[in-house]
Amino acid sequence: AQSVTQLDSQVPVFEEAPVELRCNYSSSVSVYLFWYVQYPNQGLQLLLKYLSGSTLVESINGFEAEFNKSQTSFHLRKPSVHISDTAEYFCAVSGGSKFYFGSGTKLNVKP
Amino acid sequence: NAGVMQNPRHLVRRRGQEARLRCSPMKGHSHVYWYRQLPEEGLKFMVYLQKENIIDESGMPKERFSAEFPKEGPSILRIQQVVRGDSAAYFCASSRETGGTEAFFGQGTRLTVV
Repeated sequence: AQSVTQLDSQVPVFEEAPVELRCNYSSSVSVYLFWYVQYPNQGLQLLLKYLSGSTLVESINGFEAEFNKSQTSFHLRKPSVHISDTAEYFCAVSGGSKFYFGSGTKLNVKP
Repeated sequence: NAGVMQNPRHLVRRRGQEARLRCSPMKGHSHVYWYRQLPEEGLKFMVYLQKENIIDESGMPKERFSAEFPKEGPSILRIQQVVRGDSAAYFCASSRETGGTEAFFGQGTRLTVV
């Protein structure tokens, strides 16, 4: 069985500060890992994904995540956030027939 | 290539009525997933379907809820005799195949039961 844990339900941060959103997973099989972002009243959009190869993956808007197999983690980071990054972020794992999502982390960027 | 299309975007139903939510996957995608998002909660898996088959319905409530993905046409999530607690956002996602391919999400249908 697979599961995803996002420990932080809300993360307040000031603009231009760094941020890390934590994600841990459990799985008995090889997994593929994803981060999705949801802006208010919208569906989820893929932010980045890890399938294989380099453990560090990056998105086009400055986010990055590192797959750490020993710690079963896939934390999302950004060195300097913008107001426009305010959204809810979901970590997901897929290793079989469906995607498992974490409960989400609301990132609130303050001016 | 249009994205995942869900309709309606907003649906209001009175208690006891039926709600039908539609999802047209992306072209070339044969895997459909339905998720429910309750206020202030994360995404809860409901059901995973392939064309004409329900693969995994472990997240579906035992009563009143059903889903289908016919050979032709959109996937349908049906909720019979809706109750206030069914009010939520229902998201559909599709993928080309399982495993490493990403899932693309629709904009969701926001169901309000009055």
